Amino acid sequence: DIQMTQSPSSLSASVGDRVTITCRASQDISDYLNWYQQKPGKAPKLLIFAASNLQSGVPSRFGGSGSGTDFTLTISSLQPEDFATYYCQQSYSMSSTFGPGTKVDLK
Amino acid sequence: QVQLQESGPGLVKPSGTLSLTCAVSGASISSSHWWSWVRQTPGKGLEWIGEIFHSASTNYNPSLKGRVTMSVDKSKNHFSLNLSSVTAADTAVYYCARMLGSPSRFDNWGQGILVTVSS
Repeated sequence: DIQMTQSPSSLSASVGDRVTITCRASQDISDYLNWYQQKPGKAPKLLIFAASNLQSGVPSRFGGSGSGTDFTLTISSLQPEDFATYYCQQSYSMSSTFGPGTKVDLK
Repeated sequence: QVQLQESGPGLVKPSGTLSLTCAVSGASISSSHWWSWVRQTPGKGLEWIGEIFHSASTNYNPSLKGRVTMSVDKSKNHFSLNLSSVTAADTAVYYCARMLGSPSRFDNWGQGILVTVSS
């Protein structure tokens, strides 16, 4: 299996802050990397697909970059509704795997 | 608007079989998408279980060691998951999801259903 790691595991931030979350794959996955947001009691929601493509309806303050093994999710100006847990997911291999998540909470 | 809805028992006995169904609305299950199951536990996080195409082609997570079977019912526009020989470790929230495109991604998810394995 391709192992996914994320850093940090949690972070505290304020409204308006720029937030960066990193995801690393255990092997080259090209751009087969997606990002999801999950709020308590809800299903994950697709934010970014293929490393840098914004899913329809997702605010433009969310951005993704990277290729190969290292990827980044950036929230340019954190809004109150953005406090959640964020997961990366690789779809390069048939057995898709997710990162452990990064929880973003209020400082 | 595509919607997915999981249904099934919320409690399963150890060594039994977990059976869930995902009803799809707003899209045909015969479209060119793979339909997946993903589960979530506090300990292991999000885990892909497997996927099925309308032709009944399947791919399963090898870590589930042959305990998984999936099926599709085109007449009812739904797909199903069976997980056999369950233990407490299979207690989780189970989600169904649609996989879209290439590179593929889960673009639509059900709300999730908590399944507890306990006697």
